[in-house]
Amino acid sequence: QKEVEQNSGPLSVPEGAIASLNCTYSDRGSQSFFWYRQYSGKSPELIMFIYSNGDKEDGRFTAQLNKASQYVSLLIRDSQPSDSATYLCAVNKGDSSYKLIFGSGTRLLVRP
Amino acid sequence: SAVISQKPSRDICQRGTSLTIQCQVDSQVTMMFWYRQQPGQSLTLIATANQGSEATYESGFVIDKFPISRPNLTFSTLTVSNMSPEDSSIYLCSVVLDVRGGPYNEQFFGPGTRLTVL
Repeated sequence: QKEVEQNSGPLSVPEGAIASLNCTYSDRGSQSFFWYRQYSGKSPELIMFIYSNGDKEDGRFTAQLNKASQYVSLLIRDSQPSDSATYLCAVNKGDSSYKLIFGSGTRLLVRP
Repeated sequence: SAVISQKPSRDICQRGTSLTIQCQVDSQVTMMFWYRQQPGQSLTLIATANQGSEATYESGFVIDKFPISRPNLTFSTLTVSNMSPEDSSIYLCSVVLDVRGGPYNEQFFGPGTRLTVL
């Protein structure tokens, strides 16, 4: 079992729709959860972080965390073609606050 | 936020040679890391760059292959030694800007160095 698992996609949604990206993790000691967006040829850009169970909203983005189910998700409302990128889920190693383990990423395509 | 720069942005090297990658931050940071992203893959942590002491390497990475320096709180280097084509990757430095204790550790990445080894 991978430490952080994501569906590789591509996830294709029409412009204006809600894109839902999912991630599961194996280390129950993890406390920090991040979503990065990576455009082709670019470095990862931090777009959301969440530390507590529940939802966290920031503009069009909502991160959802369920520690009991070891599940974290990212919702993108009103998806735009510019949201087309690979979204990486990252989770801290349970024995370290700072060391991150990344999922393989989900490629999102937003169709105009 | 901080401005993180890396040099070089890309390079093509011959096998058996070494390349040193620089990471510069425009403010002092406590935590600095080096990651590798192999073609089509996700990011893998290589090591934690410790200021004034030896880096802390993750499983599968050794100092002889990836020596790291961190002379101060704004600068670090990663050397990829005795390169082979398998070392062709993007190498990224990252920093934690605000060490607040607990789980609060947002991490930001530099632009990366794209290395191709022939």
